[in-house]
Amino acid sequence: LAKTTQPISMDSYEGQEVNITCSHNNIATNDYITWYQQFPSQGPRFIIQGYKTKVTNEVASLFIPADRKSSTLSLPRVSLSDTAVYYCLVGGQGTGGFKTIFGAGTRLFVKA
Amino acid sequence: NAGVTQTPKFQVLKTGQSMTLQCAQDMNHNSMYWYRQDPGMGLRLIYYSASEGTTDKGEVPNGYNVSRLNKREFSLRLESAAPSQTSVYFCASSSPGTYNEQFFGPGTRLTVL
Repeated sequence: LAKTTQPISMDSYEGQEVNITCSHNNIATNDYITWYQQFPSQGPRFIIQGYKTKVTNEVASLFIPADRKSSTLSLPRVSLSDTAVYYCLVGGQGTGGFKTIFGAGTRLFVKA
Repeated sequence: NAGVTQTPKFQVLKTGQSMTLQCAQDMNHNSMYWYRQDPGMGLRLIYYSASEGTTDKGEVPNGYNVSRLNKREFSLRLESAAPSQTSVYFCASSSPGTYNEQFFGPGTRLTVL
């Protein structure tokens, strides 16, 4: 199972773009890269998922280089409500089912 | 749709007691998962069920058992609770054909004294 490495914490200001990079050197061919957001006392919430190149949805973009050994979550124009922990996961369907590993995550603190 | 529901929300046990955490989903998902999250840490996978009738161990299965009762329900049992099992437990489910797009329940906060 591929292990991920993320910065422990990041600070930003409202209105700025935030980029959080995740390293996953041992990513397997069939692994996808997924990012989740977690607020205190809540379960994680899916943000975005990708396999290669760039994926964009209404809340974020995910950039994945050709070698897929890292990925960058980009949050445009963050607000105070984006203060949360962000997890990068890599995983896919192993024999008999899915396996996922959540790392320690990146604590993003958005200041006014 | 309620999504993923978990009961109870809070529980306090004494060392050696047993209990079952319940999880149900109404999204017709094939796969279900149990995680634990210790303070300030990420989630660790305890068990998962790729489909009805199958279960498999995750990272930290010791001290736990699971039952995939039907497609909707996936329970987690602590046979003899230990203080090291004090944690927040999250259940999740995912839809077939997607990888890691999991939907999480609100969690059960368990304290073992």
